[in-house]
Amino acid sequence: DAGVTQSPTHLIKTRGQQVTLRCSPKSGHDTVSWYQQALGQGPQFIFQYYEEEERQRGNFPDRFSGHQYPNYSSELNVNALLLGDSALYLCASSGGTALNEKLFFGSGTQLSVL
Amino acid sequence: GQQVMQIPQYQHVQEGEDFTTYCNSSTTLSNIQWYKQRPGGHPVFLIQLVKSGEVKKQKRLTFQFGEAKKNSSLHITATQTTDVGTYFCAGGNSGTYKYIFGTGTRLKVLA
Repeated sequence: DAGVTQSPTHLIKTRGQQVTLRCSPKSGHDTVSWYQQALGQGPQFIFQYYEEEERQRGNFPDRFSGHQYPNYSSELNVNALLLGDSALYLCASSGGTALNEKLFFGSGTQLSVL
Repeated sequence: GQQVMQIPQYQHVQEGEDFTTYCNSSTTLSNIQWYKQRPGGHPVFLIQLVKSGEVKKQKRLTFQFGEAKKNSSLHITATQTTDVGTYFCAGGNSGTYKYIFGTGTRLKVLA
């Protein structure tokens, strides 16, 4: 039973570029949430996708967008990259949108913006 | 906006000593979850607390949810080197789908 998989594991971009990160949820899970974790900080909620729609969004600018496919996999897109976007991007899947669902995290994508 | 703070930020203990981290929310929570993140790893779910005053134990780990559902604690008895990592609490609120993660407590255990 595969867990949450994310790709790529590492990425180096320059300011102004665009990036796409990918996530496949744990088998049987239909909800994907994305988090940004800066060095030494706790994960910050970006948004959650369920039934191919964005269900809730955190305090992130419109440069951050996402998508969920019919097979429940998801993408996070970031446009016009800033130095401050450098962070570990974590995808978490759960079995539904209920608040008491525990989150299963992937290993993350380490994004460095130069 | 809602904030979830944890103290201490760092804790170094000798193996065999006890450890406690405290989590405080600026607002009342519906539930709270605890996660452990090993160095270079990703958060892994430990437990969820839902009821006011709830206490749950997992072997050497004891979790508490405050009566007012605004604070929580994690206590580890007789730490081991395998306990090394950062412990995060994550608060949930009814009507939302997101968890607000705390600032984390980084634990180092000296053998």
